[in-house]
Amino acid sequence: NAGVTQTPKFQVLKTGQSMTLQCAQDMNHNSMYWYRQDPGMGLRLIYYSASEGTTDKGEVPNGYNVSRLNKREFSLRLESAAPSQTSVYFCASGGTQVPEAFFGQGTRLTVV
Amino acid sequence: LAKTTQPISMDSYEGQEVNITCSHNNIATNDYITWYQQFPSQGPRFIIQGYKTKVTNEVASLFIPADRKSSTLSLPWVSLSDTAVYYCLVARGGGFKTIFGAGTRLFVKA
Repeated sequence: NAGVTQTPKFQVLKTGQSMTLQCAQDMNHNSMYWYRQDPGMGLRLIYYSASEGTTDKGEVPNGYNVSRLNKREFSLRLESAAPSQTSVYFCASGGTQVPEAFFGQGTRLTVV
Repeated sequence: LAKTTQPISMDSYEGQEVNITCSHNNIATNDYITWYQQFPSQGPRFIIQGYKTKVTNEVASLFIPADRKSSTLSLPWVSLSDTAVYYCLVARGGGFKTIFGAGTRLFVKA
């Protein structure tokens, strides 16, 4: 019963490096989300995907790209990491009928 | 999207009932009201959801007045382990933008 799995759990990047955060869900959900959470703050929506093949911008999309690879997987890419992107990143998935989302354990990213 | 407003923080003691009220004046007809709980270093966890009137589950109750412009999350008999951040969200069905606010930090004391 894995739910939502994120990899990696921790990552340190140098400014300008790129990386992809992976997310997979096994609940057959149509919707998937990427959030970031800065220390002591609430979650901010980066991108979301209502269904396989579609993606839309959230509140803070700049500096990120996403790919909905298939129904299970939704990846988040940082093309050129900046210190301002130091945060905890959460992936979530949910069904279509009601807005109940299930979250992964997060990826703690530090950009130096 | 309807904006939500909730207290920044609340204190309580073990064994008390805690009520956290959230206002969402611009809620739309097809919006649901959803509450999440988040512990440090963990992702948010769904607690309860409602559309109107009262909803109760094994964890909490959710009271929604007829005009739906506010909602109250009620946690009965809180314990130290209920210390967390509680988020009130207003959202349509899945697949739509689901925006979190700042949440309410609940501190439960012994």
